[in-house]
Amino acid sequence: GQQLNQSPQSMFIQEGEDVSMNCTSSSIFNTWLWYKQEPGEGPVLLIALYKAGELTSNGRLTAQFGITRKDSFLNISASIPSDVGIYFCAGLGYGGATNKLIFGTGTLLAVQP
Amino acid sequence: EAGVAQSPRYKIIEKRQSVAFWCNPISGHATLYWYQQILGQGPKLLIQFQNNGVVDDSQLPKDRFSAERLKGVDSTLKIQPAKLEDSAVYLCASSLTYGYTFGSGTRLTVV
Repeated sequence: GQQLNQSPQSMFIQEGEDVSMNCTSSSIFNTWLWYKQEPGEGPVLLIALYKAGELTSNGRLTAQFGITRKDSFLNISASIPSDVGIYFCAGLGYGGATNKLIFGTGTLLAVQP
Repeated sequence: EAGVAQSPRYKIIEKRQSVAFWCNPISGHATLYWYQQILGQGPKLLIQFQNNGVVDDSQLPKDRFSAERLKGVDSTLKIQPAKLEDSAVYLCASSLTYGYTFGSGTRLTVV
């Protein structure tokens, strides 16, 4: 099945640093979502983007819906140890009577205190 | 609001055995999804229900996987017979509109 390409695959940073990750697709999406997954848990929604060019913040997190509708970016400012986890982008496309959420390959974030 | 409930949390079976997973979505959520997440990858959609009807099962290996959603509420996903490559976390999610809520998943190990 189709998956979105995320980069980087993993990041190992110091507490307090800013983090940037992105997601690209060969297909256009109408909605971009960013999720965080911690060990043993399901993904939890962080930010949803509904319009090309949209920039949305949620606390220290900021995400953007690319103008081409084929990419999205997530930034985390002033990282803290509890930011550790795997971050997934997901694109929501519409096909016929259904909408389908396609996930990216994930970015593993490790934060050293 | 209660979240998406899944059981069991963990299951270890031998290849060729059968296994079933259960999901109880958030009350009122008409759409229910089963995803398979192999270690190191993002979740992959297996099947999507709208109430108790299947709207997308194009990625479901129908020779061994089956799913049902009786009365448009709870759902079960079954694998029979299991293969080694079925080892993964099986996630259930439900949604009202665009906001998918995931359960904690069932981690299946096939030995």
